[in-house]
Amino acid sequence: QKEVEQNSGPLSVPEGAIASLNCTYSDRGSQSFFWYRQYSGKSPELIMFIYSNGDKEDGRFTAQLNKASQYVSLLIRDSQPSDSATYLCAVSGPLRGSARQLTFGSGTQLTVLP
Amino acid sequence: GAVVSQHPSWVICKSGTSVKIECRSLDFQATTMFWYRQFPKQSLMLMATSNEGSKATYEQGVEKDKFLINHASLTLSTLTVTSAHPEDSSFYICSARPQRRGTSGIFQYFGPGTRLLVL
Repeated sequence: QKEVEQNSGPLSVPEGAIASLNCTYSDRGSQSFFWYRQYSGKSPELIMFIYSNGDKEDGRFTAQLNKASQYVSLLIRDSQPSDSATYLCAVSGPLRGSARQLTFGSGTQLTVLP
Repeated sequence: GAVVSQHPSWVICKSGTSVKIECRSLDFQATTMFWYRQFPKQSLMLMATSNEGSKATYEQGVEKDKFLINHASLTLSTLTVTSAHPEDSSFYICSARPQRRGTSGIFQYFGPGTRLLVL
């Protein structure tokens, strides 16, 4: 079982619709959860961070966390073509010395159709 | 704030040569830097964790003698791919974690990446 699992997609939604991206993780001790957006040929860009159960909203983005179900999701409202990218779910993992690593899912490719 | 740069952004080299990639935190001090590798259509795979002034911790399956990491200062880490081969061709991305307490200290800020092509 992979530590962080995402549907690879591709996921296509029409412009203006809600895009829903899902992620599950295996380590119950995980504490922090991140969503990164990665455009083709570019490095990841942090768009959301959540560590408490429930919802966290930032503009058109809402992250949802359910630790009991080991599930984290990202909703993108009013999707725009510029949102077309690969979305990576990352989970803060075990300590390596003083540093916590991030474990990434394989990413979900989102295409927003004009 | 929290800008990380990488140099070079692109490198093409012949098989058997060594390539050095620099990762710099421009406006903060980073006690920890991470090196990732990403093959096409795949996710980021952590190669090693680099702490300033100490030896890097390599992930399972990553050869430490092939991928030399030096973290000599709080703003600079380097990755040297020694005796590069075509299978080392990949997108190498570094990230840096600020030297801060509390929530902000858990973030990693990514560099723009270095694309390596070994002929």
